Amino acid sequence: QVQLLQSGAEVKKPGASVRVSCKASGYTFTGYYIHWVRQAPGQGLEWMGWINPNSGATNYAQNFQGWVTMTRDTSISTAYMELSRLRSDDTAVYYCATDGGSVAAPKYFFDFWGQGTLVTVSS
Amino acid sequence: DIVLTQSPGTLSLSPGERATLSCRASQSVSSSYLAWYQQKPGQAPRLLIYVASSRATGIPDRFSGSGSGTDFTLTISRLEPEDFAVYYCQQYGSSPGTFGQGTKLEIK
Repeated sequence: QVQLLQSGAEVKKPGASVRVSCKASGYTFTGYYIHWVRQAPGQGLEWMGWINPNSGATNYAQNFQGWVTMTRDTSISTAYMELSRLRSDDTAVYYCATDGGSVAAPKYFFDFWGQGTLVTVSS
Repeated sequence: DIVLTQSPGTLSLSPGERATLSCRASQSVSSSYLAWYQQKPGQAPRLLIYVASSRATGIPDRFSGSGSGTDFTLTISRLEPEDFAVYYCQQYGSSPGTFGQGTKLEIK
């Protein structure tokens, strides 16, 4: 079965960077985009961007351009999301999720989700 | 960006009742590319419906979606205790994809 296993909770100081990992299993990692979505405490969902694990191509939401970087390592079926210059309002749960289509025909809705990674930014 | 407005903010119903959740878009959603997700406390969202009315794998048939253009509805025909959660709509017809603010379905 499809599983996305994310790295554990992080506590960071303002101005630092954080990298969250998302290890995929149960399907062909290079066959489906990976999206990242975040959720601030008690708030709704915000799409951050996607990575095509096959080509490495990325597309970031405008709100995150310049300070998010999405990468992947196909040898270990793992996607990464790095957020730099952290601020207190970046405190959130960060989710990875598979695209509902395929790399040949992405759909941009979110089929399977990781368990989430809480990132806390505090001085 | 397309803004999605969900109503009501909170819906209080009893098990066995019918739930109707609304999602209204600020402009037409291309090709009815609208999805619904269910989120329970401490859990990741779960895909229920995509392209407005198609149920995701394993989703019970008491969940149904309808609508087109700017108005979409998620209906739960007979509420089970496990259905009480927060529901989000998402449009993915225009970039960036955007979410509604959520409807909390609570036990009356």
